[in-house]
Amino acid sequence: DVKVTQSSRYLVKRTGEKVFLECVQDMDHENMFWYRQDPGLGLRLIYFSYDVKMKEKGDIPEGYSVSREKKERFSLILESASTNQTSMYLCASSLPRGPLAFGQGTRLTVV
Amino acid sequence: AQTVTQSQPEMSVQEAETVTLSCTYDTSESDYYLFWYKQPPSRQMILVIRQEAYKQQNATENRFSVNFQKAAKSFSLKISDSQLGDAAMYFCAYRSPLTGNQFYFGTGTSLTVIP
Repeated sequence: DVKVTQSSRYLVKRTGEKVFLECVQDMDHENMFWYRQDPGLGLRLIYFSYDVKMKEKGDIPEGYSVSREKKERFSLILESASTNQTSMYLCASSLPRGPLAFGQGTRLTVV
Repeated sequence: AQTVTQSQPEMSVQEAETVTLSCTYDTSESDYYLFWYKQPPSRQMILVIRQEAYKQQNATENRFSVNFQKAAKSFSLKISDSQLGDAAMYFCAYRSPLTGNQFYFGTGTSLTVIP
């Protein structure tokens, strides 16, 4: 089974901090994604990557950046955390035409 | 962009009964993929079932089956013999191989199973 691991389940950060959310997958998937999940809004795509060092903006990239230096790792960076970035963050990976495999999620609270 | 609509924010079903969750989508593409995901309170999103648009036969996975109507752009999920462990949020998702292989999600249906 594909395993997607997010570095933290819960995270509390202060406003203005630079925050790193790490995601690692072990099935050699080309595609990796970062989503944000908020009640009533479903999943919204922040960034995705088709391959190493490639990245594409999703629907809500403002305030975020990503890094994919290795195929198995996709990092989400909050350059300067703000309270409106308090949310659930989901990482996922897939083959080009396959389903998404999700990590367990990181609940980030910015205070 | 493709849109996916789940018109039922909440549903409930009696244990052992059958429930159907609805999903419609809007697309002009002929080749695409559809998925249902389950998100229990533990938060881990789990793939329930998948359907390729070119396949006419409806997908089935044990107690889960879909009613895929391509012309109507409808993709409903039927859960038979509902169990307490089926209680979760269910998300319908569309994957486009043409528009960058992105996924588009509905806003989810919260399913309660009544003992």
